[in-house]
Amino acid sequence: EAQVTQNPRYLITVTGKKLTVTCSQNMNHEYMSWYRQDPGLGLRQIYYSMNVEVTDKGDVPEGYKVSRKEKRNFPLILESPSPNQTSLYFCASSLGGRRGETQYFGPGTRLLVL
Amino acid sequence: KNEVEQSPQNLTAQEGEFITINCSYSVGISALHWLQQHPGGGIVSLFMLSSGKKKHGRLIATINIQEKHSSLHITASHPRDSAVYICAAIPNYGGATNKLIFGTGTLLAVQP
Repeated sequence: EAQVTQNPRYLITVTGKKLTVTCSQNMNHEYMSWYRQDPGLGLRQIYYSMNVEVTDKGDVPEGYKVSRKEKRNFPLILESPSPNQTSLYFCASSLGGRRGETQYFGPGTRLLVL
Repeated sequence: KNEVEQSPQNLTAQEGEFITINCSYSVGISALHWLQQHPGGGIVSLFMLSSGKKKHGRLIATINIQEKHSSLHITASHPRDSAVYICAAIPNYGGATNKLIFGTGTLLAVQP
């Protein structure tokens, strides 16, 4: 089944404790992206990747890192989480990253930083 | 002010009612997606449209690019339509990448 998977789905952590949220897609997509969703603000892009070893900042990259060493994986790293990073995170992918392509979203990761 | 605005933010309807969700935007766009987000679940794309109207089952989406407005209609609504509906605009800026500007979503609850 074609899908985007994220792990973990739920995570409670404390301020300053490094964490990684994994994202994997099995559709051989070149484009992958991370979003966070907050009440009243909607979805906002954190980072995106057009292909292996090609990443770029989105609209809200502060406090986050990403890497794209393999085509299928695009982990999101919070090196020193803070309470303002409490949010619902979505990973998404699309075929080539061209304008207008349908993006396929993962199930979301709900993060609480205490 | 958000570049993409949706209304209403919350909507409660009775089963069978005709529902309209509106999306307006302040930037130039080439097209717009309508997305559906179920409680606890992921997000799926319903439509992408750049002009006119698209229909899929009981869902109809319309767009007027010049007037900077799109609507999503649900005919004969059903409790299983309960979800958050999100419009996402494809801006003319951002180069060739798959950038999206999202509305804040409309939470729809359809009661039996």
